[in-house]
Amino acid sequence: KAGVTQTPRYLIKTRGQQVTLSCSPISGHRSVSWYQQTPGQGLQFLFEYFSETQRNKGNFPGRFSGRQFSNSRSEMNVSTLELGDSALYLCASSLEGASTDTQYFGPGTRLTVL
Amino acid sequence: AQRVTQPEKLLSVFKGAPVELKCNYSYSGSPELFWYVQYSRQRLQLLLRHISRESIKGFTADLNKGETSFHLKKPFAQEEDSAMYYCALSGRGDGGYQKVTFGTGTKLQVIP
Repeated sequence: KAGVTQTPRYLIKTRGQQVTLSCSPISGHRSVSWYQQTPGQGLQFLFEYFSETQRNKGNFPGRFSGRQFSNSRSEMNVSTLELGDSALYLCASSLEGASTDTQYFGPGTRLTVL
Repeated sequence: AQRVTQPEKLLSVFKGAPVELKCNYSYSGSPELFWYVQYSRQRLQLLLRHISRESIKGFTADLNKGETSFHLKKPFAQEEDSAMYYCALSGRGDGGYQKVTFGTGTKLQVIP
């Protein structure tokens, strides 16, 4: 089976712009979770989607949003970018949910905000 | 609220020495706990979960509810164990569903 893929792998944006990141889960996986990884804060949970519905949301401002499509692919959007949004954004897929099943991580999208 | 604390950012041990990576958690219910590992230039991957009570690559972890800890141990470190290790907890989030919280990670460096 192909692993989790994320596009693009690298992004450079300027403050105030918006960005959309994409995640394709492993075939058959219905849950997709998103995380922000920074050197100072480590891995922080953004949200989890299951069958096109958001299950849980972390403590991030409303500028961070996401969605999941019927084929389980997921997108994450960040509007009005700030310098502090520079990070590695990871998505992970699992069969039925991150809490009960093994999560398989993608390679991440490295976002740099100038 | 759920929280995972990994007190050491870096742990250096000599090859053949015992390893203990510390993880403490805060959660009011019964948590499910995991250890994830990220080797250099590889993706984050699951190492083990407490519910399966298995030993992976010589590593074990025991859930101690009294001390709210889930330390990762290995009796004899190997060079290939050098990696970043993350402890994670699955618990009920605000939305009523389970969510996973990660610690900040500990970098294990095994010195030849």
